[in-house]
Amino acid sequence: EIVMTQSPATLSVSPGERATLSCRASQSVSSNLAWYQQKPGQAPRLLIYGASTRATGIPARFSGSGSGTEFTLTISSLQSEDFAVYYCQQYEDWPPYTFGQGTKLEIK
Amino acid sequence: QVQLVESGGGVVQPGMSLRLSCAASGFPFSGYVMHWVRQAPGKGLEWVSLISFDGSDIYYADSVQGRFTISRDNSKNTVYLQMSSLRPEDTAVYYCARERGYLGSFFDYWGQGTLVTVSS
Repeated sequence: EIVMTQSPATLSVSPGERATLSCRASQSVSSNLAWYQQKPGQAPRLLIYGASTRATGIPARFSGSGSGTEFTLTISSLQSEDFAVYYCQQYEDWPPYTFGQGTKLEIK
Repeated sequence: QVQLVESGGGVVQPGMSLRLSCAASGFPFSGYVMHWVRQAPGKGLEWVSLISFDGSDIYYADSVQGRFTISRDNSKNTVYLQMSSLRPEDTAVYYCARERGYLGSFFDYWGQGTLVTVSS
């Protein structure tokens, strides 16, 4: 089973600043990595797939990068609606499909 | 538009059974792999099970293997999760999700979830 590790667990950033979230896989997942955003009481929402492709309707301030075992989600200028929990997920080697434990992005 | 609506959650005692349903609309349901993913209170996401578009391929997480059964009825655009021998650690919000590709892809749409509480 591929273990996904996200860091940091909590990230405090001011609105308008850049946020950088990390995700590491225990073995290579190539570019088979997705990022999801989850707000309190809501279902996860797909942000990025293929490590760097934005899903339909996702603003350009969200970008993904990386391949193999190291991945990054960057939010270039944080808006109030971006404060949420973010999960990475690998779909290279399954079952199981595995998620990171999440990074909570909070307002500084 | 794509919609996934889960139902069937509730409070059950340990050892009991429950069946969840996920009604799909807005897309050709029979052409998509469907998944169940759960989230324990205050915790992260855990993949539970998948079923291929025609039901010929089915997989489970080790944590539910032998206790949960996934199925689908393409005539009703619905996927099910039959949960048996429930344990307190099965307490979670259960989401159904659509897979974009065919096995080994990401989840592009999620339902709003249904809460299952296993408690005596």
